[in-house]
Formats: sequence, C-alpha cells, structure tokens
Amino acid sequence: ILNVEQSPQSLHVQEGDSTNFTCSFPSSNFYALHWYRWETAKSPEALFVMTLNGDEKKKGRISATLNTKEGYSYLYIKGSQPEDSATYLCAILNSGYSTLTFGKGTMLLVSP
Amino acid sequence: DTGVSQNPRHKITKRGQNVTFRCDPISEHNRLYWYRQTLGQGPEFLTYFQNEAQLEKSRLLSDRFSAERPKGSFSTLEIQRTEQGDSAMYLCASSSDLLDYGYTFGSGTRLTVV
Repeated sequence: ILNVEQSPQSLHVQEGDSTNFTCSFPSSNFYALHWYRWETAKSPEALFVMTLNGDEKKKGRISATLNTKEGYSYLYIKGSQPEDSATYLCAILNSGYSTLTFGKGTMLLVSP
Repeated sequence: DTGVSQNPRHKITKRGQNVTFRCDPISEHNRLYWYRQTLGQGPEFLTYFQNEAQLEKSRLLSDRFSAERPKGSFSTLEIQRTEQGDSAMYLCASSSDLLDYGYTFGSGTRLTVV
C-alpha cells in the first residue's frame, strides 16, 4: 500500500500571499505523481502529471517541482487569489500503471 | 463530449436499503475508476475497469458492493443493505494514459445513509 502524505492539512492566507504545499511519497518504485485541485461543489481537476526527477511544471500562477530521489513534490501558488481556494490533492501512480493512490489533501482558503 | 457524468448528485437512503449509482465516462477513455471520499480523507480507491473487464478491487469493497461496466461504456456501482458507514462522496473518473494524463472526474454522488 502506497503511503502518500500531504502537509499542511489546511492553510489560510491573505489575497496576494504566495504559498506552497508538500507531498511526500515512497521514493522507491516511483512511476508518476499527479496534482489535482478540488473546488467545493465541483469535480477534482487535474493540474499536473510529473514523471521525471527534477521536473518542474507551470500553469499560470501555479507551479510544481518533483524530487523522486528523496520522495517529495512541492506545489507553489504565487500571489494567491480567492478563486484559488480549494483542496489540493497529490496522488501516486502504482506499479501496474493502473490506479492512483491519493493523499488526504491540503485545504487552502484565500481571504480577500 | 461533456466530460464524466454521475447520477444522482445526491442520495439519501435508509439503512438497509439498496442504492445504485451511475457513471458515464468520456467516450474515448477505456479506463474507469470508482473512488470513495469521506470527511478528512483523500479519495480512496474502490475498483477499476479497463473496457468491460473489472481488473482491480480494493479490500474496501465488501461483498455488499458490486460494480459493473457492461459493454465497456457506462458503469454502475451498487451498494446492498446500506450502513451508516457507507455515507460518503462516491467519485467516478475515467482516463486514457496515466503517465501523460490525469483522471477526469465526475462531480460525484453524495450518499447519506440515515
């Protein structure tokens, strides 16, 4: 069973603040890491799929980095906006390339 | 294609009743997944289909749970003799290739067992 840990559990920031979250996972037998954003009353939405050590991906004000040797990924949000308020989920692909194991998520609240 | 569709959005049922949920995936996706999410937890894997074949089932999926995907199109998840512990958000997702693309999730079905 894959153990995917996310921290912090929740975060409350002011509009304009930059923030980051951590996803930790077993470094052995790594295949891929996914980040999702889940806004209240909506479907979880895929942000990034990362496979290579040292990979860095960016989508607007959101970026993510990956360190497969030490087993962690960071998600950064630059200049947080209220519309960034959501739960951010990290997931790891299993050895059969078939399913994802999710962490518990980081709940972000951005106040105007 | 309008994405992954799940019905119903909400279901309230009495303990002991049977319930069935439906998921219509993206038509080009051959993989379909069911997950369950409870308060304070991330989505927990229940089962996975590739086309019409059910390839993996979690230990979370007791004998009261059954899933089907006839003809590799839509899928149903049935829970028999519901218990209060079954109250959760049931999420369906579909995908093509998990090394390049993520899951496309539906909006989920919120089950409340009273």
